[in-house]
Amino acid sequence: GQQVMQIPQYQHVQEGEDFTTYCNSSTTLSNIQWYKQRPGGHPVFLIQLVKSGEVKKQKRLTFQFGEAKKNSSLHITATQTTDVGTYFCAGWVDFNKFYFGSGTKLNVKP
Amino acid sequence: NAGVTQTPKFQVLKTGQSMTLQCAQDMNHEYMSWYRQDPGMGLRLIHYSVGAGITDQGEVPNGYNVSRSTTEDFPLRLLSAAPSQTSVYFCASSYAESVGGYTFGSGTRLTVV
Repeated sequence: GQQVMQIPQYQHVQEGEDFTTYCNSSTTLSNIQWYKQRPGGHPVFLIQLVKSGEVKKQKRLTFQFGEAKKNSSLHITATQTTDVGTYFCAGWVDFNKFYFGSGTKLNVKP
Repeated sequence: NAGVTQTPKFQVLKTGQSMTLQCAQDMNHEYMSWYRQDPGMGLRLIHYSVGAGITDQGEVPNGYNVSRSTTEDFPLRLLSAAPSQTSVYFCASSYAESVGGYTFGSGTRLTVV
């Protein structure tokens, strides 16, 4: 079954609105990574979080890793049409197995 | 620096045919993995390798074989193609578990008829 769960599955926003996707794991993760996949493209690595409670920012994107290292979130402030795509969280579950969440597909209306 | 190279980009197979999807990386990454992506299912791990000569199964390994004779190459073999294997296949590589992220190839879109 799915080791890493992600919600929501889809999100439609108006340009300028904020967006958040949430990631939950059934087990403690050593670290969590976030990827973005543009339509028709391949996943591209965005960031890795390692420490409990860690918060990292990349311009309008804010990433958080939960205190228990079982959940994470990605928040985009003031979305732009260039943010369109599917956002995946991913983590090392079991020994050496790297699992992806089901992804959140973001659509931004201009 | 080519990164991760996958071939072919597109392939149509008939049910029962076999084929090999090629994957090569030039970054000296130890970790390599194969994923399949189906609509609404995200990326599911098929097989992975933590170094030359070492492979193991992911969550959906049935119908696929892999080998890792060199650090650079990690081919995925479909033994007897079935329509359920119609999907987009991605190969990815990483230096190690806690160092950076996975680099993905551009994918192979496979249709089995």
